[in-house]
Amino acid sequence: KQEVTQIPAALSVPEGENLVLNCSFTDSAIYNLQWFRQDPGKGLTSLLLIQSSQREQTSGRLNASLDKSSGRSTLYIAASQPGDSATYLCAVTRGTGANNLFFGTGTRLTVIP
Amino acid sequence: DAGVIQSPRHEVTEMGQEVTLRCKPISGHDYLFWYRQTMMRGLELLIYFNNNVPIDDSGMPEDRFSAKMPNASFSTLKIQPSEPRDSAVYFCASSKLPPGELFFGEGSRLTVL
Repeated sequence: KQEVTQIPAALSVPEGENLVLNCSFTDSAIYNLQWFRQDPGKGLTSLLLIQSSQREQTSGRLNASLDKSSGRSTLYIAASQPGDSATYLCAVTRGTGANNLFFGTGTRLTVIP
Repeated sequence: DAGVIQSPRHEVTEMGQEVTLRCKPISGHDYLFWYRQTMMRGLELLIYFNNNVPIDDSGMPEDRFSAKMPNASFSTLKIQPSEPRDSAVYFCASSKLPPGELFFGEGSRLTVL
């Protein structure tokens, strides 16, 4: 069974700092990987989707990379802002089935003004 | 589009009562998912539908849980009778074609006393 791990579980950084969130998965045979953001009391918002054939995706200050062979993905946030404070979850899909999406437990990020 | 819409946002009920959660997916999305999120277990897939047909309900914890999708724009998740261990946030999500980008509703927070 695919296991997705996110370390650390929580992270605090001062405003303006660049930071990296980590996601690792045990089965490298993935179809794609998604990064989500979850604000307290809210649903998940999709940030970036990386197909298995891609190495990275960028959206604004966010850059996600994927290394299937090592079972790792990183989410890089440049020039962090207090509004970036949220829980970030990664999810990997194994195969094309709709029920093959596996979520990590998330990293709770706090950006201190 | 207004996104995935869930109701109620909060539900407090007593053990043994019936609970019905509702979801309106994004128009044009053929797949609808029901997830449950708890601190202990993270996000768990309960059931998903394709073109209104239940495809995989293996994540439904017990016979007390049932889900329906009578048409492309409406789904319900019912718990009868409810128990305190059912307390969680229940999310509905939809997508056009899995395993593509997943769009979540804001969730229904259920508390069973």
